[in-house]
Amino acid sequence: DVKVTQSSRYLVKRTGEKVFLECVQDMDHENMFWYRQDPGLGLRLIYFSYDVKMKEKGDIPEGYSVSREKKERFSLILESASTNQTSMYLCASSLYTGTSRAYEQYFGPGTRLTVT
Amino acid sequence: GENVEQHPSTLSVQEGDSAVIKCTYSDSASNYFPWYKQELGKRPQLIIDIRSNVGEKKDQRIAVTLNKTAKHFSLHITETQPEDSAVYFCAAVNGDSNYQLIWGAGTKLIIKP
Repeated sequence: DVKVTQSSRYLVKRTGEKVFLECVQDMDHENMFWYRQDPGLGLRLIYFSYDVKMKEKGDIPEGYSVSREKKERFSLILESASTNQTSMYLCASSLYTGTSRAYEQYFGPGTRLTVT
Repeated sequence: GENVEQHPSTLSVQEGDSAVIKCTYSDSASNYFPWYKQELGKRPQLIIDIRSNVGEKKDQRIAVTLNKTAKHFSLHITETQPEDSAVYFCAAVNGDSNYQLIWGAGTKLIIKP
């Protein structure tokens, strides 16, 4: 069973603080993703990584950065948190082999971040 | 950029009736179309998917149909039950990246007793 874990379920931070959200997967997946989920807007991709130290911007990267130093760990960093970054953050991972269901993304439980 | 449109945003059906959610996509190179279900307070999970060489796929009460010419695909749930209440997301694989999914905005399905 694939397990994707996130460092916190709930987080409250103040405006201007540096925030780290961490995601760990235990299935040796190459691909990892950070999404932001807001009501009515679905899942919006912030950043993704297809290998260690490799990263690509998604649809809404502004205000965020990422780090992937180890294959199993993908961190999302808010350099200076702002109130408009209050949201649910979901991490996901996937294995790419070209075979059936290789695109399936496995999600973590989410981190609900509130910035005050 | 490429996008996926999903309709309706909210769907309310009587228990036992059928529910249909529709998505259209823009990327001609997309060849994989999954559906995810997210129950309240839980993570999204894959419930069914279809590849472009297949027109229809069924798994018990759920089925997905794909029309590549028209670039749309649909999720069908028959004999709906209370546990089907959730938010459903459709997606299409980004033809350029082969691992990035482009997501629809989601449909909240409400099953009325």
